[in-house]
Amino acid sequence: GDSVTQMEGPVTLSEEAFLTINCTYTATGYPSLFWYVQYPGEGLQLLLKATKADDKGSNKGFEATYRKETTSFHLEKGSVQVSDSAVYFCALGERDDKIIFGKGTRLHILP
Amino acid sequence: EPEVTQTPSHQVTQMGQEVILRCVPISNHLYFYWYRQILGQKVEFLVSFYNNEISEKSEIFDDQFSVERPDGSNFTLKIRSTKLEDSAMYFCASMPFMNTEAFFGQGTRLTVV
Repeated sequence: GDSVTQMEGPVTLSEEAFLTINCTYTATGYPSLFWYVQYPGEGLQLLLKATKADDKGSNKGFEATYRKETTSFHLEKGSVQVSDSAVYFCALGERDDKIIFGKGTRLHILP
Repeated sequence: EPEVTQTPSHQVTQMGQEVILRCVPISNHLYFYWYRQILGQKVEFLVSFYNNEISEKSEIFDDQFSVERPDGSNFTLKIRSTKLEDSAMYFCASMPFMNTEAFFGQGTRLTVV
């Protein structure tokens, strides 16, 4: 079945560092791809999405590009802030509508 | 901005008791979901609901679980006889159309003691 694999955490960076969180997927069709974020003590929030190959999703300085040839959707940010500390989930939306999540990557940003 | 709301935010229950988790999806959304997240683990799909019936359920969603949309606005998840391993954060989500963005609630933290 469809699945999502993302890099293990925790990831610890200093403020203003460059961030990459790797995500790859396996799918039989052409899913939509998402990054969700979960701040401490809160629920899941959609960070960005891409619905077809070569689309780039972006929000709050984060970006991810839907790469069909490498089945990847890596999350990047040029300069992270302490407030970006959270758990980040890569996810795909199957044709039959449910969302499959990766295991999540915990990000710690040090001031 | 419309949002999915869940109640209660935290529920503690004794093993073997029934619990009902409540959700109010965004108005006019057509697809509804329950997911759960055991502490520190991945978010797992439980069930999807469309047109007043279950459209898909996972292996986790056994006979102890049921969902209802009793009045056209609320969407509930019932666990008939809770087990310790049911302790988790339960998220409700709704989607306006298939293959679009899902909007999640803040979650209900269920603790079974």
